[in-house]
Amino acid sequence: DAGVIQSPRHEVTEMGQEVTLRCKPISGHNSLFWYRQTMMRGLELLIYFNNNVPIDDSGMPEDRFSAKMPNASFSTLKIQPSEPRDSAVYFCASSARGADTQYFGPGTRLTVL
Amino acid sequence: DAKTTQPPSMDCAEGRAANLPCNHSTISGNEYVYWYRQIHSQGPQYIIHGLKNNETNEMASLIITEDRKSSTLILPHATLRDTAVYYCIVRAPEWGSARQLTFGSGTQLTVLP
Repeated sequence: DAGVIQSPRHEVTEMGQEVTLRCKPISGHNSLFWYRQTMMRGLELLIYFNNNVPIDDSGMPEDRFSAKMPNASFSTLKIQPSEPRDSAVYFCASSARGADTQYFGPGTRLTVL
Repeated sequence: DAKTTQPPSMDCAEGRAANLPCNHSTISGNEYVYWYRQIHSQGPQYIIHGLKNNETNEMASLIITEDRKSSTLILPHATLRDTAVYYCIVRAPEWGSARQLTFGSGTQLTVLP
């Protein structure tokens, strides 16, 4: 049974470029979360969706960040334009309806030069 | 969510039981105790959760004191692969809709050969 799938696993880009991170939640899960992890700030929530609808995006740093969930099996997190301070590991997690346990993907390590 | 306090680091000999404490003295009656861990360079992984009874699964046991003000996660036979940061999270579940996990600093468990 496949877990949460994220791509790419590693991304190196230059400042000013657009970056798109992708996530496929566990089949049947109806909630999806995007987290960011840095040494300085630890794990912090960026945004989460219930039934493909964004519920809380208060953690999104600024307008350069946007997230979409066009269907139940796919979500994207886009950064445009990227900046060096966006360098971090970005995790996607999903949970099932009626359950409070979240299952995390392997993460995307983003480096912005 | 109630605040939790964990020691920043612990060591354990391989093959021995690892006992990780968590203090949550302000826990409310409907709040559960969750444990996650994060192995280096991987996404957080759910371990176990409980309300007031002791719980056991294939990964670990959770012992919650009678007054629920503290708990202990027990890895019965620690292996080198259990080296990770362990997070204790206290929260009231919202079964109808998901919400984010708030990760603290956790305990860095190092299993020594």
